[in-house]
Amino acid sequence: NAGVTQTPKFQVLKTGQSMTLQCAQDMNHEYMSWYRQDPGMGLRLIHYSVGAGITDQGEVPNGYNVSRSTTEDFPLRLLSAAPSQTSVYFCASIGVDYGYTFGSGTRLTVV
Amino acid sequence: KQEVTQIPAALSVPEGENLVLNCSFTDSAIYNLQWFRQDPGKGLTSLLLIQSSQREQTSGRLNASLDKSSGRSTLYIAASQPGDSATYLCAPFTGTASKLTFGTGTRLQVTL
Repeated sequence: NAGVTQTPKFQVLKTGQSMTLQCAQDMNHEYMSWYRQDPGMGLRLIHYSVGAGITDQGEVPNGYNVSRSTTEDFPLRLLSAAPSQTSVYFCASIGVDYGYTFGSGTRLTVV
Repeated sequence: KQEVTQIPAALSVPEGENLVLNCSFTDSAIYNLQWFRQDPGKGLTSLLLIQSSQREQTSGRLNASLDKSSGRSTLYIAASQPGDSATYLCAPFTGTASKLTFGTGTRLQVTL
């Protein structure tokens, strides 16, 4: 089925560790985004990309890094994990009509 | 900055009732508005996408309307079922920084 695939689904990290959350889409969309969802805070934009080689910051980019080498993939890197980054992370792919398709999410716990 | 409010925050109804979920937004310069549902511990599922030039969209028992000038959208659910229990999120898209702004959500419970 066409859509957005996120891996892993669950992850536990120790403070200071780094990791990459993977996101892949097979809809040939140019636009992709990363959000985090926290209780009481709703979904907040971390980073987004308007095409291969082009990325920009959202409203909560600190502590995260992204790159977009291909249209299909948009990985999110945590450079040095902190407990404040415990959250659920969602990747989205955005169609030409600006309709969003979300992945199933990665639930991250930093201890 | 776009701000989105959804009323009510929570709703519990018996099966079979028709429901109206409300969404208001402060910046009417939107490209579109999307309604999502989210089940506990799960991702976001797109329900309906209304372009700014449209007044409404329908999918099965769901109907969403958009009044862009007044900054309002409603999601109408006909003949509610227990399987409709979820959180419903409204999200207008302004195109600024490719950002979808999410509402606070309405948590719906449909009881037998």
